[in-house]
Amino acid sequence: EVQLVESGGGLVQPGRSLRLSCAASGFTFDDYAMHWVRQAPGKGLEWVSGISWNSGSIGYADSVKGRFTISRDNAKNSLYLQMNSLRAEDTALYYCAKVLPITMVQGRLGAFDIWGQGTMVTVSS
Amino acid sequence: EIVLTQSPGTLSLSPGERATLSCRASQSVSSSYLAWYQQKPGQAPRLLIYGASSRATGIPDRFSGSGSGTDFTLTISRLEPEDFAVYYCQQYGSPEGITFGPGTKVDIK
Repeated sequence: EVQLVESGGGLVQPGRSLRLSCAASGFTFDDYAMHWVRQAPGKGLEWVSGISWNSGSIGYADSVKGRFTISRDNAKNSLYLQMNSLRAEDTALYYCAKVLPITMVQGRLGAFDIWGQGTMVTVSS
Repeated sequence: EIVLTQSPGTLSLSPGERATLSCRASQSVSSSYLAWYQQKPGQAPRLLIYGASSRATGIPDRFSGSGSGTDFTLTISRLEPEDFAVYYCQQYGSPEGITFGPGTKVDIK
């Protein structure tokens, strides 16, 4: 079964850091670009960051640029999001998502055919 | 950044009716790099349409996508009870990054 499982969320104070993980199974992880998408409570979807299969191409939303770092370990079938200098507005459910290969653009962008169930990050004092 | 606008914000319809959802981009979306997703409460989004008009695997043919440039449409030909949800459009062709529209909620009239 193709699956993505996020972990690492929780309650954190403003200004602190958190590292999210996404464990992939059921597919050849290092064949695909991967992304993080978040959803604040009761709000819509917001793209956060994406990474190509070999980490050669990385992109971030302006709202997290300079604070968040995406990475992957293909040997461990895992995707990560290091979040520093967290703000209240970073409070959201964070999803990891896999790019559908036929939609791949510039080695990293694309539509997302597989999503995890998300891990909740709450930034509050 | 390409900004996506979806209309209407809420669509109230009855089962069996046709739903027409609109997604408009602030600038042309390259090569129709436009996708549609369905999200139900407590669930992750599900990919319905990619490339503006191609159905994803396992998506019923009552869902169809059309459009190009800056104007795109998702049509649900006959609403089934399980289709009442929030629908998002997404563009994935801009080098500046991916953006989503604010969503259209389809609810039961």
